[in-house]
Amino acid sequence: DAGVIQSPRHEVTEMGQEVTLRCKPISGHDYLFWYRQTMMRGLELLIYFNNNVPIDDSGMPEDRFSAKMPNASFSTLKIQPSEPRDSAVYFCASSQLDRGRNTGELFFGEGSRLTVL
Amino acid sequence: AQSVTQLDSQVPVFEEAPVELRCNYSSSVSVYLFWYVQYPNQGLQLLLKYLSGSTLVESINGFEAEFNKSQTSFHLRKPSVHISDTAEYFCAVKSPGGSYIPTFGRGTSLIVHP
Repeated sequence: DAGVIQSPRHEVTEMGQEVTLRCKPISGHDYLFWYRQTMMRGLELLIYFNNNVPIDDSGMPEDRFSAKMPNASFSTLKIQPSEPRDSAVYFCASSQLDRGRNTGELFFGEGSRLTVL
Repeated sequence: AQSVTQLDSQVPVFEEAPVELRCNYSSSVSVYLFWYVQYPNQGLQLLLKYLSGSTLVESINGFEAEFNKSQTSFHLRKPSVHISDTAEYFCAVKSPGGSYIPTFGRGTSLIVHP
């Protein structure tokens, strides 16, 4: 079975531009998480969904960030307008959380490295 | 509320030496505990986990961790490290039940020198 798929793997953009990061979770997983990783702040949870519904977006830094999950197999994280301080690696992860033999485990994608100039 | 503290941000060791990466947690309810590993330019992947039963859990590449309820710890150990173990290691805690999601520590960078 394919793992969590993220695109693009690398994105370089200029300040003020819109950035869209994409994620395809593992089929059958009902939880989806977006994380941001930086040297300064480590791994931060931005938002998570359960059955396509946003449950907690308290980690989203500001209104420039938005996330959607229109169906069980696709999610986007959008930054508009982007700023240099948004430069980071963004990870998507999916899980069944409390069901099945992988109870509690999160499956991570390989990340999208964003550089805002 | 649940939280995780990884006491060391960086642990340098020489190849073939033993290593211990420390993890302490706090939770008002029972817990599941996890160690994830992140190799350079990759996502996190599960190394080992404790859900219930034996307090000593092992990974396929020689790491082990012991759940110590009285000390609220889940330290990761390996008796002899290899260069390829160089990575970032994250401890995570989750309480059973769908209303709880995993909480991650800040990570410990294991640097293995030849």
